[in-house]
Amino acid sequence: KQEVTQIPAALSVPEGENLVLNCSFTDSAIYNLQWFRQDPGKGLTSLLLIQSSQREQTSGRLNASLDKSSGRSTLYIAASQPGDSATYLCAVRGRDDKIIFGKGTRLHILP
Amino acid sequence: DVKVTQSSRYLVKRTGEKVFLECVQDMDHENMFWYRQDPGLGLRLIYFSYDVKMKEKGDIPEGYSVSREKKERFSLILESASTNQTSMYLCASSLGTGAAGSYEQYFGPGTRLTVT
Repeated sequence: KQEVTQIPAALSVPEGENLVLNCSFTDSAIYNLQWFRQDPGKGLTSLLLIQSSQREQTSGRLNASLDKSSGRSTLYIAASQPGDSATYLCAVRGRDDKIIFGKGTRLHILP
Repeated sequence: DVKVTQSSRYLVKRTGEKVFLECVQDMDHENMFWYRQDPGLGLRLIYFSYDVKMKEKGDIPEGYSVSREKKERFSLILESASTNQTSMYLCASSLGTGAAGSYEQYFGPGTRLTVT
């Protein structure tokens, strides 16, 4: 059974720093991995989608990588800003089409 | 832009009531999903559907049912609401299934349901 883990559960960093969020999964037979952002009390906003055949995807200050063989993905945020404060979730889509989410990392950017 | 809408942002119901949560997407997506999100437990899949009148149980279907009579609409039904169904309910949609359908999932804003 697929399990998705995000460590740490919470992270505080000063504004302007670059940072990396981690996501690991136990079953490498996946179709894709998606990173989301969630603001308090709101729905999820898609940030990046990486297909299983891809190694990374970039959007603005965000870069997501995927190492399927080791069951890991990272989300790199460059030059962090207070507006980046949110919970970041990763989700993997398995070959059974089920999408399993990690529990998220709560990110707080200190002004 | 894909738009997924949910009928209510906040809902308060009494124990034993029948509750309908509606979700509508406007991008002709085949797949639709219902999740609930609870502190410490993350997002858990209740049901999903990959076509009209098709439904599949997720990880926690007990106490819930779903209906998909039209492609754009996916309803979650709580037959007899209980206090342990107090939660944030999130609907999502995506374009397809399988290897050819490795598409992004898009979420609605969520419905915060309180059962008293």
